Amino acid sequence: DIQMTQSPSSLSASVGDRVTITCQASQDISNYLNWYQQKPGKAPKLLIYDASNLETGVPSRFSGSGSGTDFTFTISSLQPEDIATYYCQQYDNLPPTFGQGTKLEIK
Amino acid sequence: EVQLVESGGGLVQPGRSLRLSCAASGFTFDDYAMHWVRQAPGKGLEWVSGISWNSGSIGYADSVKGRFTISRDNAKNSLYLQMNSLRAEDTALYYCAKARYFDWPRSLFDYWGQGTLVTVSS
Repeated sequence: DIQMTQSPSSLSASVGDRVTITCQASQDISNYLNWYQQKPGKAPKLLIYDASNLETGVPSRFSGSGSGTDFTFTISSLQPEDIATYYCQQYDNLPPTFGQGTKLEIK
Repeated sequence: EVQLVESGGGLVQPGRSLRLSCAASGFTFDDYAMHWVRQAPGKGLEWVSGISWNSGSIGYADSVKGRFTISRDNAKNSLYLQMNSLRAEDTALYYCAKARYFDWPRSLFDYWGQGTLVTVSS
């Protein structure tokens, strides 16, 4: 199975900060990389698909980049409603696998 | 509006069985693959199983292969997960997830239900 390693595991930032999360795959996954947001007690929500495509209706402060094994997820200006855990997920190889998650908190 | 509503979870003893259901609405159900993804308490997400639009192709995580069976009834817009020989490590919130594509290996999950909790304990 492809291992997805997210960094950091947790992050504390202030409103308005630029926040960056990285995800590294254990082998080349091209651009088959998605990012999900999970707020406490809620189901995950797709934010970014195929590494850099913003899902319809998702605010433009969210963005993604990368290809191959190294990927980045960015929130350009952190808002209070962005408090959540963020997961990357690859679907280049079977089985689909998720990163361990990055818990984002407000400082 | 896409809606996925899971049901069938509960407390079950180790070794017993449980059948989960997912009722779908707001989209053409038989155009898309469907999946089950689970989340153990306080843990991350784990893909469990996927099924293509016409049930012609199915996949399972190694951790559930031989014990769980995924199925769908396109006439009823419903997805199912039959779980046999349950273990304590199967305790989790089970999510039904819609795929963006018709074939299950392309597992991009664009909508998720709220989940149904399965607790395996004596």
